[in-house]
Amino acid sequence: DGGITQSPKYLFRKEGQNVTLSCEQNLNHDAMYWYRQDPGQGLRLIYYSQIVNDFQKGDIAEGYSVSREKKESFPLTVTSAQKNPTAFYLCASTGNNEQFFGPGTRLTVL
Amino acid sequence: EDQVTQSPEALRLQEGESSSLNCSYTVSGLRGLFWYRQDPGKGPEFLFTLYSAGEEKEKERLKATLTKKESFLHITAPKPEDSATYLCAVQARGGADGLTFGKGTHLIIQP
Repeated sequence: DGGITQSPKYLFRKEGQNVTLSCEQNLNHDAMYWYRQDPGQGLRLIYYSQIVNDFQKGDIAEGYSVSREKKESFPLTVTSAQKNPTAFYLCASTGNNEQFFGPGTRLTVL
Repeated sequence: EDQVTQSPEALRLQEGESSSLNCSYTVSGLRGLFWYRQDPGKGPEFLFTLYSAGEEKEKERLKATLTKKESFLHITAPKPEDSATYLCAVQARGGADGLTFGKGTHLIIQP
């Protein structure tokens, strides 16, 4: 089955720790994205990558980092510099002008 | 700055009661307007992309339309399984590839 997978589904972090969220796609899409969703707010763009080894900051990149070493993978690291990291994180990829989303990772800071 | 406003925030309908959800937008050159359905705790599910004013697309009980300032998602004779949050997003020409989302409309269909 073609699609986007994210892991883990739930993640708990202590304050001051960095954590990495995984995103893998087998759709052969060039462009991949990370969004954050908070209750009562729209999805907000964190980072995006249009090609391997290249990525750009979105609207709320502070406290986050990414890498794009392979076409299939676009991991997101939430660093200790992110002041309010508890949220639902969504990875997406674009093909044929349609943007498809993964199932999401819910991150909770304890 | 691109903006998307969805109304109403929440809508409760009886099964079979048709209605429309609104998405108003401002964007510096529209590349595409997207509709998604999102169930609790899950990622958004793609429904439609609209590219130009006057365009319409249909899928089962859903029909999306587009004007130069807004889009409507019409739901005809809804069923309880249509209950979800419906998200609208725009993509601007020449800008970042990411989408700008509205806050969504939470739709509840009562049997």
